[in-house]
Amino acid sequence: AQKVTQAQTEISVVEKEDVTLDCVYETRDTTYYLFWYKQPPSGELVFLIRRNSFDEQNEISGRYSWNFQKSTSSFNFTITASQVVDSAVYFCALSDSGGSNYKLTFGKGTLLTVNP
Amino acid sequence: DAGITQSPRHKVTETGTPVTLRCHQTENHRYMYWYRQDPGHGLRLIHYSYGVKDTDKGEVSDGYSVSRSKTEDFLLTLESATSSQTSVYFCAIGRGDGAYEQYFGPGTRLTVT
Repeated sequence: AQKVTQAQTEISVVEKEDVTLDCVYETRDTTYYLFWYKQPPSGELVFLIRRNSFDEQNEISGRYSWNFQKSTSSFNFTITASQVVDSAVYFCALSDSGGSNYKLTFGKGTLLTVNP
Repeated sequence: DAGITQSPRHKVTETGTPVTLRCHQTENHRYMYWYRQDPGHGLRLIHYSYGVKDTDKGEVSDGYSVSRSKTEDFLLTLESATSSQTSVYFCAIGRGDGAYEQYFGPGTRLTVT
């Protein structure tokens, strides 16, 4: 069975601090996909990134970066120079290949509060 | 904008009544999903569909049924609502090429009294 663990339930930082959100996953599949979603206080779920299991290259998008390490089954998310608008719940998720119809298994989320 | 709408957006209903939530997409995607979100649980899959009339159960399907008679609509029915089904319900579509990224609708907040 697949499992996603986000050990940090809540994180509070001061604006401009860097913050890393941890995600550890478990799967028996050799091909799988990892995702991060953002849920701001308004409630919608916003897709941030997808990473394929066969591509361990790290990715940077503006102030956001993602570190994928298969050796430790981790897919961590770093926000550099955090801003108040980054305050949200962040979910890490895992899906397998098409054999199970791309169903997502979510972690329980990390509530990030960025204080001015 | 993934072209997904959910209706109603908010609903209050009484225990024992049937409730149907609707998810509508405008982009003709094959895969559609229903999740519920509860504090401390993240999002959990209820049912999903991989085509018209093709549906299957997810992790928390008891007490729910679904139907998909046309590509654009995926209905979730609570056959006899219970207080434990008070939740926020999200619909998602799978979009992509080979590795389907899921994009979510705005959610429906359901309260069962």
